Amino acid sequence: ETGVTQTPRHLVMGMTNKKSLKCEQHLGHNAMYWYKQSAKKPLELMFVYNFKEQTENNSVPSRFSPECPNSSHLFLHLHTLQPEDSALYLCASSQDRGQDTQYFGPGTRLTVL
Amino acid sequence: GQQLNQSPQSMFIQEGEDVSMNCTSSSIFNTWLWYKQDPGEGPVLLIALYKAGELTSNGRLTAQFGITRKDSFLNISASIPSDVGIYFCAGQRGGGTASKLTFGTGTRLQVTL
Repeated sequence: ETGVTQTPRHLVMGMTNKKSLKCEQHLGHNAMYWYKQSAKKPLELMFVYNFKEQTENNSVPSRFSPECPNSSHLFLHLHTLQPEDSALYLCASSQDRGQDTQYFGPGTRLTVL
Repeated sequence: GQQLNQSPQSMFIQEGEDVSMNCTSSSIFNTWLWYKQDPGEGPVLLIALYKAGELTSNGRLTAQFGITRKDSFLNISASIPSDVGIYFCAGQRGGGTASKLTFGTGTRLQVTL
């Protein structure tokens, strides 16, 4: 138990669906991150939020839309995804953006049909 | 982009054996982190290294920050079945909001009885 929870743990969606992934951290951290983990590839950083403000978007397609209503919650809204978007989506948090010790949630296994 | 070369990609060892894996880069890092990921879970931080030459232990795990700041290794002594999983190194460059964390591709460890 790392103090970072993610829901749902598994999600299957069609290409025309709209769904959202949720992340919550109970560590009092100020920075939160979304990563994509595909088979046999390094973790890919998608978005970074620091004190609720987005500080980084690593050229992520607009079909992924993050939202950070407060420092404890982070969402990833999904719409019109492609099959190649199927992956494990991991949320992480750290004390601040410059703190490198990131704590990860268990991930959401996403399958796009 | 920045790449971390992690080796070996996979290892099959017998229970009780010692394990060694490493990460190398062509660039200098300020921090090295080692994570373990169990199947269906997110990465969990094992050891953090902040200083060149630093040697840190966590139970049966020992990690070192290379003197050149371009590499790090992780050793596991007397492996047990629960050591099975994927081990990731991560290196950090820069500081503050410009901090970048780069992950290796992982070493998959299998332990046989």
